[in-house]
Amino acid sequence: IAGITQAPTSQILAAGRRMTLRCTQDMRHNAMYWYRQDLGLGLRLIHYSNTAGTTGKGEVPDGYSVSRANTDDFPLTLASAVPSQTSVYFCASSEVNTGELFFGEGSRLTVL
Amino acid sequence: GQNIDQPTEMTATEGAIVQINCTYQTSGFNGLFWYQQHAGEAPTFLSYNVLDGLEEKGRFSSFLSRSKGYSYLLLKELQMKDSASYLCAAMDSNYQLIWGAGTKLIIKP
Repeated sequence: IAGITQAPTSQILAAGRRMTLRCTQDMRHNAMYWYRQDLGLGLRLIHYSNTAGTTGKGEVPDGYSVSRANTDDFPLTLASAVPSQTSVYFCASSEVNTGELFFGEGSRLTVL
Repeated sequence: GQNIDQPTEMTATEGAIVQINCTYQTSGFNGLFWYQQHAGEAPTFLSYNVLDGLEEKGRFSSFLSRSKGYSYLLLKELQMKDSASYLCAAMDSNYQLIWGAGTKLIIKP
């Protein structure tokens, strides 16, 4: 593994289903983030974590949850997917309080 | 409120110079960042400014004026591979990044 790995790369999901997007980094960064990117809206922060064991809400947290059991992993869960959650999701990591983020390749999620 | 403004789209010619502007309003300021994002790919970090002035890095330069809440990214000797979206982001007093919607740069031969 080099950098940040996200899985799955792409997924089509029925509304109401539960879905977990996985994110793993090998850079030992303390800070990790989940963003969604929609056309014309730019990156919007969903949840973040500044260290293992702690998480925080971003700009658009409703309908999403995260956990940070260790430094490397930061999964994002959609408890009951809705069509408005159709988006491209990016996981990122960085040193704490820096703006140089390293992004995963993204997970394209379609909710029907 | 916090806000980042940048043009939606720009077109330039291969070999030329283009300047992408960004204005920001944030609660506090801890730096201005530029990222490049090719279509279908992840954003990658380009530059960081925290003090006023110009930072040069090869063909790319970034400028910051904190008093004006203004930055620009300057791309010289444009190449076709520079066709991408360029994202401006400002870091606020809580060290959160506020992102612009991105400027799609189209390079024509």
